[in-house]
Amino acid sequence: GNSVTQMEGPVTLSEEAFLTINCTYTATGYPSLFWYVQYPGEGLQLLLKATKADDKGSNKGFEATYRKETTSFHLEKGSVQVSDSAVYFCAPAGGTSYGKLTFGQGTILTVHP
Amino acid sequence: DTAVSQTPKYLVTQMGNDKSIKCEQNLGHDTMYWYKQDSKKFLKIMFSYNNKELIINETVPNRFSPKSPDKAHLNLHINSLELGDSAVYFCASSHSVSRANGYTFGSGTRLTVV
Repeated sequence: GNSVTQMEGPVTLSEEAFLTINCTYTATGYPSLFWYVQYPGEGLQLLLKATKADDKGSNKGFEATYRKETTSFHLEKGSVQVSDSAVYFCAPAGGTSYGKLTFGQGTILTVHP
Repeated sequence: DTAVSQTPKYLVTQMGNDKSIKCEQNLGHDTMYWYKQDSKKFLKIMFSYNNKELIINETVPNRFSPKSPDKAHLNLHINSLELGDSAVYFCASSHSVSRANGYTFGSGTRLTVV
């Protein structure tokens, strides 16, 4: 099955700082890759996804590029806001795991004004 | 017109009780899931149903029993609740088990066992 390792948190940044959250995965076959975000007290929401190598997923100023050669899908944002404070989850799906999502341990991000 | 709805949102109960959590999706998806999120935010899959058929049953105590009366509903019944069952339980759905399109999640049920 698939597995994923995420950068350990918590990550604390000042507003307008640059954000990177590292994610590397192990999968057999050709998985799709997802980033989900969980705001305080809420369920998980799909943030962005990429379905094949070299694809770039983007949404709300966040970006991640599917790097098959390094099995990575790092999340980046050029200028974070206080409202980006949340837990971020990286998840591969597919390959021999079919549609099942395998979540990383989550990275807590706190952005201060 | 919430896509995946769970009830109740909060559940506080005593050890030893039996409780149920309900989940419904109106997206026309074939596959539904239950996840448990612990206090460290770690998400662990518990069960998955595809068109009312159980397809994933991870290592979960048999006090937990899922039921899917139709493909739009997946309920979770828990017998003899224990303190360690306290967590947030999320329901999710996806188009089908064979397509990696991602999930739509409910807003969660926070279970507290006292």
